[in-house]
Amino acid sequence: EADIYQTPRYLVIGTGKKITLECSQTMGHDKMYWYQQDPGMELHLIHYSYGVNSTEKGDLSSESTVSRIRTEHFPLTLESARPSHTSQYLCASSEGRDPGWGGEKLFFGSGTQLSVL
Amino acid sequence: ILNVEQSPQSLHVQEGDSTNFTCSFPSSNFYALHWYRWETAKSPEALFVMTLNGDEKKKGRISATLNTKEGYSYLYIKGSQPEDSATYLCAPSDWGSARQLTFGSGTQLTVLP
Repeated sequence: EADIYQTPRYLVIGTGKKITLECSQTMGHDKMYWYQQDPGMELHLIHYSYGVNSTEKGDLSSESTVSRIRTEHFPLTLESARPSHTSQYLCASSEGRDPGWGGEKLFFGSGTQLSVL
Repeated sequence: ILNVEQSPQSLHVQEGDSTNFTCSFPSSNFYALHWYRWETAKSPEALFVMTLNGDEKKKGRISATLNTKEGYSYLYIKGSQPEDSATYLCAPSDWGSARQLTFGSGTQLTVLP
């Protein structure tokens, strides 16, 4: 059973606010990911991390930033939210070989649905 | 970013029917393919990880095949049940994708009782 948690589940916020989406996992996985999904569209990778103090941008450009100070914690921050940031954000983790190299599967959190008014 | 196509986009079947859907991807430089099931209000859950041409994987009533030479994978569900209702996502990778997966937009399956 995967243990990866995201909070909040839903967030409605006004333009210009700073927000942080939380993601934590208790499985000790080194690799963590943030995906973004607009309605009816694909999941796109926006950030990933291979361990503490390691972060990389994904294939979809994002104004968000991430940090990885502890293995279990991978928060995503938007300094100034805009309506264009309205989307679903999914956090995931994996262990071992990269999923793209035929390695281990991704474990996903339940997502944060962000609405910026 | 890979061009990944899943068809059909949505599908309604009766309970007990068998069904299948397709994931198409560029065959050149293929490395791996994942299948995930995503039920409403839940987290996506991994079904299969496949790497070799001709791979066949099975999990209960769900199975998948992989053809890397022509660039497609089929997902089959035998005797669909209402609990199979979900969006099924495929995610291939290739040598150029920096070890990351590219997700398709999914096939939304509804199984009617």
